[in-house]
Amino acid sequence: GAVVSQHPSWVICKSGTSVKIECRSLDFQATTMFWYRQFPKQSLMLMATSNEGSKATYEQGVEKDKFLINHASLTLSTLTVTSAHPEDSSFYICSAKGLAGDSGEQYFGPGTRLTVT
Amino acid sequence: GQNIDQPTEMTATEGAIVQINCTYQTSGFNGLFWYQQHAGEAPTFLSYNVLDGLEEKGRFSSFLSRSKGYSYLLLKELQMKDSASYLCAVMDSNYQLIWGAGTKLIIKP
Repeated sequence: GAVVSQHPSWVICKSGTSVKIECRSLDFQATTMFWYRQFPKQSLMLMATSNEGSKATYEQGVEKDKFLINHASLTLSTLTVTSAHPEDSSFYICSAKGLAGDSGEQYFGPGTRLTVT
Repeated sequence: GQNIDQPTEMTATEGAIVQINCTYQTSGFNGLFWYQQHAGEAPTFLSYNVLDGLEEKGRFSSFLSRSKGYSYLLLKELQMKDSASYLCAVMDSNYQLIWGAGTKLIIKP
């Protein structure tokens, strides 16, 4: 149980275009989903936290107009990288947290590798 | 500020034992997690400690001392597949995960 999927697993896009990444909790309802970015040989960097039906909370330094997050249901959150640039190339990972009462463990998706040319 | 410290890199020999330490200073504490991350992959959950003491799970054990702000992950009978980064993360009073930078573990034959 507690499986999180991400789609696509990798994507190459041209500079200036937008890319949408989907994160789905397959066998549980995720009250909260998290979006992380990880550059090579660096640790996870939390970008934003989203709760179903409400606006995402962005970490300091993360542009909310550039990284659009939608958490429309308890099983789906999307991250759209708008007007992507080469410096946005990174490994984007989502995670989901289940209902209250559990340990708070986050279940990670497999990640999406974005390359902007 | 909130801070998680763990060594950047460690090297160990196949079949041996290695201990990866993690110290933390956070605003509140609601548990400490250890994750394993292989290169190019997402993290996978290893352990969760919220009370002091040792949690054992197969070849892996995790220890917590809340008074010292300290945890360690102990890996026994090391295998080559254990080569990975090990991430320590603390859940603070707002139930947000604060991540360490990770420890890259290199296993040599």
